[in-house]
Amino acid sequence: GENVEQHPSTLSVQEGDSAVIKCTYSDSASNYFPWYKQELGKGPQLIIDIRSNVGEKKDQRIAVTLNKTAKHFSLHITETQPEDSAVYFCAAALFYFGTGTSLTVIP
Amino acid sequence: DAGVTQSPTHLIKTRGQHVTLRCSPISGHKSVSWYQQVLGQGPQFIFQYYEKEERGRGNFPDRFSARQFPNYSSELNVNALLLGDSALYLCASREGVSRYGYTFGSGTRLTVV
Repeated sequence: GENVEQHPSTLSVQEGDSAVIKCTYSDSASNYFPWYKQELGKGPQLIIDIRSNVGEKKDQRIAVTLNKTAKHFSLHITETQPEDSAVYFCAAALFYFGTGTSLTVIP
Repeated sequence: DAGVTQSPTHLIKTRGQHVTLRCSPISGHKSVSWYQQVLGQGPQFIFQYYEKEERGRGNFPDRFSARQFPNYSSELNVNALLLGDSALYLCASREGVSRYGYTFGSGTRLTVV
């Protein structure tokens, strides 16, 4: 089955700085890569996704890049705000999640 | 519109007991999937159902079973509970197998003592 690795496990940034989270996957047949944000006591919330026929996708302060050859994809958050503090998960092929990154934005 | 609703929100069970968790998908969503999330880890895929049929199963023992009803709601059943089954159980729904993007519920926190 698919194996998804995610780094770093924790990330602290100053408000206004950028945050980058990276994931790798093992199954070259995977063609859909969502990113989820999970706040305490809540289920994961889809924040952005990318399909394998696209190299980059942007939605306001959030962007995702995909390198199919290297089998890795990344989440970029610019101009971070305290409300961005949460656990972020990458996933591959809908069902296989990374281990999560706890992001703290320091005011 | 109501999101994905799960019940109960919290549950405490004793080892060896059986538990049933319930999920109501977003109206119009025909696909439901279940995940187990142990504290500090990512969700682990358990089952996917579409149109009342099992379409996928993760690496979980036969103690775990599920079903989907004609109204697309779903139940997850776990028999012979172990301490290691303590986790947040998440349900997610989407329109169909060809549509991307699941919407998750807030989960059921199961504690096995």
